[in-house]
Amino acid sequence: TQLLEQSPQFLSIQEGENLTVYCNSSSVFSSLQWYRQEPGEGPVLLVTVVTGGEVKKLKRLTFQFGDARKDSSLHITAAQPGDTGLYLCAGKGGANNLFFGTGTRLTVIP
Amino acid sequence: GAVVSQHPSRVICKSGTSVKIECRSLDFQATTMFWYRQFPKKSLMLMATSNEGSKATYEQGVEKDKFLINHASLTLSTLTVTSAHPEDSSFYICSAPEVGVLGYTFGSGTRLTVV
Repeated sequence: TQLLEQSPQFLSIQEGENLTVYCNSSSVFSSLQWYRQEPGEGPVLLVTVVTGGEVKKLKRLTFQFGDARKDSSLHITAAQPGDTGLYLCAGKGGANNLFFGTGTRLTVIP
Repeated sequence: GAVVSQHPSRVICKSGTSVKIECRSLDFQATTMFWYRQFPKKSLMLMATSNEGSKATYEQGVEKDKFLINHASLTLSTLTVTSAHPEDSSFYICSAPEVGVLGYTFGSGTRLTVV
């Protein structure tokens, strides 16, 4: 099992603030994905990063893959209450399976 | 986009009974499906990889005889929790890789409560 540590574990911020979530591992991944999960539902894919150093933007969300492909970050600008949820990074293993990070539970207060 | 249908969404069973959870890929063929378990407020833990037409591959620490996986067709994988105990209560989720896409599609999950 390959471990991915996310930080912070919990984050509560006011609407309009910016935040960054980190995902770190000692393993190298061929690709890394970010998901968002609502209570009682399955995770929904936000983005996949493949190339070391890659940066992808999805509206107010910016994703970065580390140069060594061991870490990633998710930055949210001007957070909104609709951004509330559990954010999970996931690395793709050699058997095409996904190993999930420890998760970051974000709460955006109106 | 690709859809994975998972059911039941919720099930309550008595200790000692078995429960079957189904995952179907609705508009694509899934030769591989992954089964995860999620404890409250925790992340997803990979339990096993289900392969169509062959035996499932289980992660370390997951009991094969406890969690029976069958992948009988290209669109259906099932997880059976045998002789369930209260400690098996959890949220179980399946997923399948999307063909031609780097992402994975997840089922909506099954909340199992063993009483």
